Amino acid sequence: AQSVTQPDIHITVSEGASLELRCNYSYGATPYLFWYVQSPGQGLQLLLKYFSGDTLVQGIKGFEAEFKRSQSSFNLRKPSVHWSDAAEYFCAVGAGNTDKLIFGTGTRLQVFP
Amino acid sequence: EAEVAQSPRYKITEKSQAVAFWCDPISGHATLYWYRQILGQGPELLVQFQDESVVDDSQLPKDRFSAERLKGVDSTLKIQPAELGDSAMYLCASSPELAKNIQYFGAGTRLSVL
Repeated sequence: AQSVTQPDIHITVSEGASLELRCNYSYGATPYLFWYVQSPGQGLQLLLKYFSGDTLVQGIKGFEAEFKRSQSSFNLRKPSVHWSDAAEYFCAVGAGNTDKLIFGTGTRLQVFP
Repeated sequence: EAEVAQSPRYKITEKSQAVAFWCDPISGHATLYWYRQILGQGPELLVQFQDESVVDDSQLPKDRFSAERLKGVDSTLKIQPAELGDSAMYLCASSPELAKNIQYFGAGTRLSVL
């Protein structure tokens, strides 16, 4: 069965520091992978997605993620965090033959000035 | 920019009462999803529609939850009777026919059951 693990429940970084949020997935074939961001009390906004091809994908707001098949990972990165990036981040996996998404439990990002 | 509309944004109810949530997907999106997000967790799919037909409702507690999308456009999710454990954020999402894996989410309805 598909599953997504986000090992870090809560991460705190200083503004301007680099960021990496971890995501590991379990799926037998090549997965569709997504990162969503959720601000408090809001819905989810798609940051980026990986379907196939180049394993380094660029998203909105300066985020990028790298698909590593050997590690079953799809970590999210940003070289310099802004205070407005404070939010909850969710990794999700979708099967190729269906449009159902399985979400991880999320990582809450706090940014200190 | 087109958005998924949901109402109400917040709902407070007492247990055993009935509640209903409304969702209007992005125009032209044939697929509509209802998710439940418990505090501190990721969203979990409750029901998926393709046009007016239910595609997946395997995780929908059918003894108390019902969902409909009568004309294949907007949708209503109902809970009757509400229980304390139903307190959560209820999110609606939609996706276009040619990019079904890309889901666009509404702002959600925050339900508190007292």
